[in-house]
Amino acid sequence: QKEVEQNSGPLSVPEGAIASLNCTYSDRVSQSFFWYRQYSGKSPELIMSIYSNGDKEDGRFTAQLNKASQYVSLLIRDSQPSDSATYLCAVNPGSGNTGKLIFGQGTTLQVKP
Amino acid sequence: DADVTQTPRNRITKTGKRIMLECSQTKGHDRMYWYRQDPGLGLRLIYYSFDVKDINKGEISDGYSVSRQAQAKFSLSLESAIPNQTALYFCATSKGYNEQFFGPGTRLTVL
Repeated sequence: QKEVEQNSGPLSVPEGAIASLNCTYSDRVSQSFFWYRQYSGKSPELIMSIYSNGDKEDGRFTAQLNKASQYVSLLIRDSQPSDSATYLCAVNPGSGNTGKLIFGQGTTLQVKP
Repeated sequence: DADVTQTPRNRITKTGKRIMLECSQTKGHDRMYWYRQDPGLGLRLIYYSFDVKDINKGEISDGYSVSRQAQAKFSLSLESAIPNQTALYFCATSKGYNEQFFGPGTRLTVL
């Protein structure tokens, strides 16, 4: 069983819509959670960090964390074509914590004009 | 100026050659990481270092070695490159257990 799972997509949404990206993780004591955006051929870019249950908003991005369900999501409001990229979920596991991040495979988002 | 830099950005080499990829950072972070990324396989950790004297193997360290020359420098070597080491290589840094920041990457092709 993969430790961090994401639907590979592609997830296709029209411009201006809300894109919802989901991630589940297996280590119940995971401490911190991150979303990265990666354009094709480029490096991952950190866009959100979340550490406690609930919602965290930053501009058009909202990260949601539910530790009881071991679920973290990223909402992108008013999606733009420039948001088309692969979004990586990363988890810092709590057990035997060495500071390493466990990455999901990523979800490809396509925003169509 | 970029906080995490990698050299070279692109490299084409032949099977059996020794290759070194270099990473430098000006973020003052203590931890540094080397990843490779292959299509469909995501990011895989090769080596990581928590400080100059602490170097650890990741999930795919075979065929690779590293050197942490200073807090700001972390190099990855392929002693004898083989074609299946063709990939995109990323260096990353973090301060403690916090978020990681990635360099621009090195595209390596082994013929």
